[in-house]
Amino acid sequence: EIVLTQSPGTLSLSPGERATLSCRASQSVRSSSLAWYQQKPGQAARLLIYDASRRATGIPDRFSGSGSGTDFALTINRLEPEDFAVYFCHQYGGSPRTFGQGTKVEIK
Amino acid sequence: EVQLVESGGGLVQPGGSLRLSCAASGFTFSNYELHWVRQAPGKSLEWVSAVATTGGTFYADSVKGRFAISRENAKNSLYLQLNSLGAGDTAVYYCTREQTGTGMFAFDIWGQGTKVIVSS
Repeated sequence: EIVLTQSPGTLSLSPGERATLSCRASQSVRSSSLAWYQQKPGQAARLLIYDASRRATGIPDRFSGSGSGTDFALTINRLEPEDFAVYFCHQYGGSPRTFGQGTKVEIK
Repeated sequence: EVQLVESGGGLVQPGGSLRLSCAASGFTFSNYELHWVRQAPGKSLEWVSAVATTGGTFYADSVKGRFAISRENAKNSLYLQLNSLGAGDTAVYYCTREQTGTGMFAFDIWGQGTKVIVSS
């Protein structure tokens, strides 16, 4: 099973700043099959990035994904008030699918 | 609007059973593989089960033999039968839709979840 470790656990930033979130896999993720999601309390999770760097439909271009192999990142440029949430990564290149523990982006 | 809405969660005693439902709308239900994912308090998300468009089913080792996934395309509904429940099954259960294609893909639609509490 591929273990995904996200860092940091919490990121305290101000609106307008850039957020960089990391997701490290315990073994190489086949075909860069990694996604990023945003989750807010009481709401359905939203797919942001899939295949490591492809933006999902309707996702603003301030969200970008990068990486391959075992190291992946989600970058949010110019944080908007609605971006403060929990973000988690998910690998679907190996069975079983696994998820990171999440990074909370909070307002500083 | 494309959406998934779960129901059926609640408080159940250890050893008991529960049936979760997921109502889909806004898309051609039969064309998609569907999954259940859960999140225990303070824990990361855990993939639980999947049902393919063909009806084939898949389970995490932690629930194999206890849970049963099914779909009813005529009703645009997904189900998860939970049996022999233990404290470790306490979690919010999410219904998700997998992106379409050949192979494994990300989940492009999630429900809001339904909470299952296993306690005496």
